[in-house]
Amino acid sequence: AQKITQTQPGMFVQEKEAVTLDCTYDTSDQSYGLFWYKQPSSGEMIFLIYQGSYDEQNATEGRYSLNFQKARKSANLVISASQLGDSAMYFCAMREGRRALTFGSGTRLQVQP
Amino acid sequence: DTGVSQDPRHKITKRGQNVTFRCDPISEHNRLYWYRQTLGQGPEFLTYFQNEAQLEKSRLLSDRFSAERPKGSFSTLEIQRTEQGDSAMYLCASSSPLNEQYFGPGTRLTVT
Repeated sequence: AQKITQTQPGMFVQEKEAVTLDCTYDTSDQSYGLFWYKQPSSGEMIFLIYQGSYDEQNATEGRYSLNFQKARKSANLVISASQLGDSAMYFCAMREGRRALTFGSGTRLQVQP
Repeated sequence: DTGVSQDPRHKITKRGQNVTFRCDPISEHNRLYWYRQTLGQGPEFLTYFQNEAQLEKSRLLSDRFSAERPKGSFSTLEIQRTEQGDSAMYLCASSSPLNEQYFGPGTRLTVT
């Protein structure tokens, strides 16, 4: 079974609008972490936001927020006020315990002027 | 620059040759990870170190792959007898325990 599922291979959004990128996960661990990374065409992976399984509040970092629904095992990324520079691949990832990250297959976001 | 660095950024090699990549993590990070990313996919875990100890290896890491982190600082990833299927981006990341991982720019390997 897939550990991390990103069902949207590609998304379009108009500049200045908000967009939600979906992520569902599968784990039997009680302690885990959820991450979102951005990968522009240059190839580097840029850390955006983190949510711990025990965190009661949804994580926010500037224009990024993570909509964490533990019972549904979803960790969607919300980008508010999209900018042209937000066009990139976005990866959801999970860390179970002290292990390395497991990544989803990514969503390509294109911001249109 | 205090980020994760990788060298080389690009490597083209002929099938059957050996290649070695280097990763220099953020200096205060004791954990170092190697991932492989093929086109259109997310990164896949290969191996990780805590200080100089290699704590986990993925099944993706065949006998032709070896990784070291001799002094708990930089790490090397060697691929022996390269195959065309080894063509990928090799990413290195570092972290403090239970904190986010910071990635380097990657080494893109092309095996011809």
